[in-house]
Amino acid sequence: AQSVSQHNHHVILSEAASLELGCNYSYGGTVNLFWYVQYPGQHLQLLLKYFSGDPLVKGIKGFEAEFIKSKFSFNLRKPSVQWSDTAEYFCAVNALNQGGKLIFGQGTELSVKP
Amino acid sequence: DTGVSQNPRHKITKRGQNVTFRCDPISEHNRLYWYRQTLGQGPEFLTYFQNEAQLEKSRLLSDRFSAERPKGSFSTLEIQRTEQGDSAMYLCASSSDRLVITTEAFFGQGTRLTVV
Repeated sequence: AQSVSQHNHHVILSEAASLELGCNYSYGGTVNLFWYVQYPGQHLQLLLKYFSGDPLVKGIKGFEAEFIKSKFSFNLRKPSVQWSDTAEYFCAVNALNQGGKLIFGQGTELSVKP
Repeated sequence: DTGVSQNPRHKITKRGQNVTFRCDPISEHNRLYWYRQTLGQGPEFLTYFQNEAQLEKSRLLSDRFSAERPKGSFSTLEIQRTEQGDSAMYLCASSSDRLVITTEAFFGQGTRLTVV
C-alpha cells in the first residue's frame, strides 16, 4: 500500500530562517506529488505540484520542492520564512493509476516566531 | 465564490443519529472526492466519483457511510447511527481530467462533525 511520511511533526523557526520539510513516499510506480498548506481556519490550498519534467518545482509564496526519484523524496524548501508562513503543511502523492486519489502525510506544523 | 462549497460547516449530533453533508464541487470538475481528517493527522481518503459513478471506496468507509453524486453534480455523504469515533473534519475536493492534463484537487473548507 502507498504511504507518505513527513519527518517533522512540529517545526519552530524565527523569521528569515531557512526551511526544509521532509517528505518520503512508498510507491514503485509513476506518481504525481503535491504540497498543500492549511493556514489557521482556512481550507487546504495547493502550494506546488510535480507531474513531470524538471524535478525542481516552484510554487507560490517563494516555496520550492525537489523530486528525487531515487530517494522517493519530495522535500519542501523556502530560503527565508515569514511569520505569515505559520501553517500546517501536507505532502501528498497520487499514483497515476489511482484516479486522482491523494495519499497524505500526517502533516508538519510550522510556527514562525516574529 | 467559485470554489468547492461544503455545508454545513459545523454539525453537532447525538450518538446514534444520522447526519448528511453536502458538497458542491467546482462546476466544470468531473471528479469529486471525500476525505476525513482527525486532529494531528493528514486527510484520509474515503471515496471518489467520476461524474455520477462511485469508482472507489476506502476500507475506512464502513457500511454506515454512504455517498452519492446524482447527475454528476453535487454530492452527499451520509453517516447512519453515528458513533463518537466519527467525530472528524469531513473534506470534499474536486478535480478535472477532461483535458489532457489532470488538474490538482481543490478542497472545500470542510464540515466539522462532533458526535456527543
